[in-house]
Amino acid sequence: QKEVEQDPGPLSVPEGAIVSLNCTYSNSAFQYFMWYRQYSRKGPELLMYTYSSGNKEDGRFTAQVDKSSKYISLFIRDSQPSDSATYLCAMSFTGANSKLTFGKGITLSVRP
Amino acid sequence: GAGVSQSPSNKVTEKGKDVELRCDPISGHTALYWYRQSLGQGLEFLIYFQGNSAPDKSGLPSDRFSAERTGGSVSTLTIQRTQQEDSAVYLCASSLAGGQGIYGYTFGSGTRLTVV
Repeated sequence: QKEVEQDPGPLSVPEGAIVSLNCTYSNSAFQYFMWYRQYSRKGPELLMYTYSSGNKEDGRFTAQVDKSSKYISLFIRDSQPSDSATYLCAMSFTGANSKLTFGKGITLSVRP
Repeated sequence: GAGVSQSPSNKVTEKGKDVELRCDPISGHTALYWYRQSLGQGLEFLIYFQGNSAPDKSGLPSDRFSAERTGGSVSTLTIQRTQQEDSAVYLCASSLAGGQGIYGYTFGSGTRLTVV
């Protein structure tokens, strides 16, 4: 079992839909949880970051972490064609020398 | 520069040749990472440099892979005797300290390596 599992998709939705992206993980020591967005032929960029459990909202994006279930989610409201990209979850332990472990990423397409 | 710069952006090489990939991180970022991204495989960790500490080489897939970081800045990833399975996008990232927090990693656009 990989440390971080993410449904590879792809996922196609109509414009305006609510999108739910999810990851599960196996190591309960992960404390930092992030979502990265990657456009074609570009490097990933940080979209949302959460420490430990709880929710965080930023505009149309909401990140949720449920540590008891080892499950994280990213919700996109009122999805736009410009949201079409690959979304990768990432997580790490505490400590200055901890590196990120990424999920495989899911490709989202928002149809106009 | 304002971002992480990688060169070349594309590289086609013959099987068995050596290649060098370059990464110029954001000035002041103490941590530098190399990842490999293959189709359907996500981001695979290769190596991590943090300040003057010994690098974390735990992700390097074989002894054909090596990396250096000179003067705490520019890094070079070297692949010797390239194989077709080395074909992938090689991504470099830099961060302040461990990169877990609000600033995260800043990635370059990657080097797309094709071994023919």
